[in-house]
Amino acid sequence: QLVLTQSPSASASLGASVKLTCTLSSGHSSYAIAWHQQQPKKGPRFLMKLNSDGSHNKGDGIPERFSGSSSGAERYLTISSLQSEDEADYYCQTWGPGIQVFGGGTKLTVL
Amino acid sequence: EVQVVESGGGLVQPGRSLRLSCTASGFTFGDYAMSWVRQAPGKGLEWVGFIRSTDYGGTREYAASVKGRFTFSRDDSKRTAYVQMNSLKTEDTAVYYCVRISDAAGVGNFDYWGQGTLVTVSS
Repeated sequence: QLVLTQSPSASASLGASVKLTCTLSSGHSSYAIAWHQQQPKKGPRFLMKLNSDGSHNKGDGIPERFSGSSSGAERYLTISSLQSEDEADYYCQTWGPGIQVFGGGTKLTVL
Repeated sequence: EVQVVESGGGLVQPGRSLRLSCTASGFTFGDYAMSWVRQAPGKGLEWVGFIRSTDYGGTREYAASVKGRFTFSRDDSKRTAYVQMNSLKTEDTAVYYCVRISDAAGVGNFDYWGQGTLVTVSS
């Protein structure tokens, strides 16, 4: 079964960096994922598609501060030079034949 | 500029029906699969289903939670996708988002989101 696992929360200080993790279920380590950001009281926004080799394609207007990487079944979103507007929920998403799957989301707090 | 705009949300009684619309601009609508995602109050994102492009027969996939009650359709001439929601339950209360999938067959990432429309199912 295709499942994505995310930690419910993370925190980091203003100006620092943070690395969020999304883990693919067993047998699905070759899958690409996408990262989406949802700021408070707003709809989600596509950040990037992240492949198993770590290559990624960002959405329109996504700052350089956002980057992605991969290792085995883990997919990472790194945000550097954290700003207050980065405080948001971050969701990973993947897909298979006839199905789309979301992780439970990580709530990022910028201290 | 790609835009996706939902409409049709509102308050509806349990057991009744509602139809949401999703109108797109800024891209060739017929070349893409379109999906619906919902978010219950205070909860995470839940995939509802999608409709493939006409080149893939406009075939549909549904999440188990809505299968048999929700029906997706599309009118490429109007650049609009629809979801007909029947036999609504209180647990269907959510903000419903229309989202473009980066692939005509629905095998790809979500890349453009609408702003969402709120559906409240309550007596």
